[in-house]
Amino acid sequence: AQSVTQLDSQVPVFEEAPVELRCNYSSSVSVYLFWYVQYPNQGLQLLLKYLSGSTLVKGINGFEAEFNKSQTSFHLRKPSVHISDTAEYFCAVSDASNTGKLIFGQGTTLQVKP
Amino acid sequence: DGGITQSPKYLFRKEGQNVTLSCEQNLNHDAMYWYRQDPGQGLRLIYYSQIVNDFQKGDIAEGYSVSREKKESFPLTVTSAQKNPTAFYLCASRTQGASTDTQYFGPGTRLTVL
Repeated sequence: AQSVTQLDSQVPVFEEAPVELRCNYSSSVSVYLFWYVQYPNQGLQLLLKYLSGSTLVKGINGFEAEFNKSQTSFHLRKPSVHISDTAEYFCAVSDASNTGKLIFGQGTTLQVKP
Repeated sequence: DGGITQSPKYLFRKEGQNVTLSCEQNLNHDAMYWYRQDPGQGLRLIYYSQIVNDFQKGDIAEGYSVSREKKESFPLTVTSAQKNPTAFYLCASRTQGASTDTQYFGPGTRLTVL
């Protein structure tokens, strides 16, 4: 069985500072990895994904993530955050099977302060 | 304008009533999914369907039912057997393929039991 752990439930940061949201996963098979963002009372928006190839993945809004197979991690980073980045962020893993089922972490609330 | 629509946005239900949440997509995706989100938690899979007239239970299917009579539509019924139905419900559809496997989400329906 797979699982996802987001190591921080809340991350406060000042505007224009860098940020890292941590995600670890466990799986005995090959995986696909995703980061989604959710603004209040809205659905999830895809930030970026790792399916194969380069382990450094760039997404929308200046975010990037690095797939580290040996450490089973997929941490999300942004070099300089804006107030508008305040939201809930979810890491998810799929076992790359035909079902496409996603297992989600508990979420990390990013709070950007002026 | 392609995408996933969910209706209604807010839904109130009395105890003992069944309610049906709508999910429609015009992305021509074969696979569709229903997730439940509770405060401070990640998303949990209720049901999924990979093709018309076929669907499978997810991790928390008890008290829910679905149908998939058309490719575009995947309605979810919350029955009176669901003991704690108050939650935010998200529908997703999936583009499949080794380089494109991704789930895209609708805006969600917030269900409150009175």
